[in-house]
Amino acid sequence: AQSVTQPDIHITVSEGASLELRCNYSYGATPYLFWYVQSPGQGLQLLLKYFSGDTLVQGIKGFEAEFKRSQSSFNLRKPSVHWSDAAEYFCAVGEGGNKLVFGAGTILRVKS
Amino acid sequence: NAGVTQTPKFRILKIGQSMTLQCTQDMNHNYMYWYRQDPGMGLKLIYYSVGAGITDKGEVPNGYNVSRSTTEDFPLRLELAAPSQTSVYFCASSRTSGDTDTQYFGPGTRLTVL
Repeated sequence: AQSVTQPDIHITVSEGASLELRCNYSYGATPYLFWYVQSPGQGLQLLLKYFSGDTLVQGIKGFEAEFKRSQSSFNLRKPSVHWSDAAEYFCAVGEGGNKLVFGAGTILRVKS
Repeated sequence: NAGVTQTPKFRILKIGQSMTLQCTQDMNHNYMYWYRQDPGMGLKLIYYSVGAGITDKGEVPNGYNVSRSTTEDFPLRLELAAPSQTSVYFCASSRTSGDTDTQYFGPGTRLTVL
């Protein structure tokens, strides 16, 4: 079965600083990869997804992610964080059979 | 277009009670999902459906049941509630298979079993 690891449970960054959230997956073939964001008290919203092609994908809210097959990684980045980006971020991989496998999540705190 | 709606938002149950969590989507999506979210554990799939009349188990189905009589509705039934079912429950839907397509999530139901 596929698995997703998000090594950082919590990350704190200053407003205006850059951000990178790490995600590693285990999957034999080229995976379908997703980043979702959950604002406090809300459901999850898709930030971006990767299926094939260009390994740098752009998403909503100024986020991007880079797929690196050699490292089995799909890290999420943002050049300048805003206070409204404070949320929990989930990396997920398509397992096949209609199922997504989610990582445990990374909670982002933004300090002013 | 309301997307995915869930009721109730909060509920407290006593051990052994039963309840149904409601989920409705107005996007005419064939695929629907129920997840539970526990702190530090991410989301775990309970059940999913690929269309009306078709349901299948996910990773953690024990203690739950589902039905899918219409495209719009996908209720989750808890029988004989246990403290281990204290969690936040999310319903989601997608136009095509959720392992390749965007899933749209409801706002969640926070359930406490005492």
